[in-house]
Amino acid sequence: EVQLVESGGGLVQPGGSLRLSCSASGFTFSISIMHWVRLAPGKGLEYVSAIGSNGRVTRYADSVKGRFTISRDISNNMLYLQMSSLTSEDTAVYYCVKDRYPDRDFDIWGQGTVVTVSS
Amino acid sequence: DIVMTQSALSLSVTPGEPASISCRSSQSLLRSNGHNYLDWYVQKPGKSPQLLIYLGSNRASGVPDRFSGSGSGTDFTLKISRVEAEDVGVYYCMQGLETPRTFGGGTKVEIK
Repeated sequence: EVQLVESGGGLVQPGGSLRLSCSASGFTFSISIMHWVRLAPGKGLEYVSAIGSNGRVTRYADSVKGRFTISRDISNNMLYLQMSSLTSEDTAVYYCVKDRYPDRDFDIWGQGTVVTVSS
Repeated sequence: DIVMTQSALSLSVTPGEPASISCRSSQSLLRSNGHNYLDWYVQKPGKSPQLLIYLGSNRASGVPDRFSGSGSGTDFTLKISRVEAEDVGVYYCMQGLETPRTFGGGTKVEIK
């Protein structure tokens, strides 16, 4: 079964850090472009970050650039999102998403992990 | 970044009636290969988003044929021919032309 399972969410204080993980299974992770997308309370879907298949190319939304770092461990089929300098604006459900090349759509979504930034 | 605009924030539809959601992009999503890099997703209550339509007009696997996508360039439409109760959710368009990808603001579909 094709599956993405996120973990690592939780409550963190403003200015703090958190690392999200995403375990991939059921597809060839090593050749897949991967993304993070978030949904904040009362808002719409917001794109966060992308990483190329070999991990060398990364992209970020302006709202997280310089604070978040995406990475992957191909040997263990894991995707990560290191988040730092967190603010209340980062409170959201974070989804790990698989890109379906070459159509470039998001065909597989994880169940999401909740990040709450609050004192 | 490409800006995606969905004009309707919400839509209240009678079961069995049609519904239509519009999406506009700030630049053309049509590439030289003839494909429009525009997708539609739905997030149903308590669920993760799921792919409905890709490349502007192609239904994803398992999507009922009452859903259809149309449009080209900068203007796109998602149509539901006969809305059912299970179609309740928030519908988003997303451009796949450039990274970072960008989503429309979402259109909430409710049943009357």
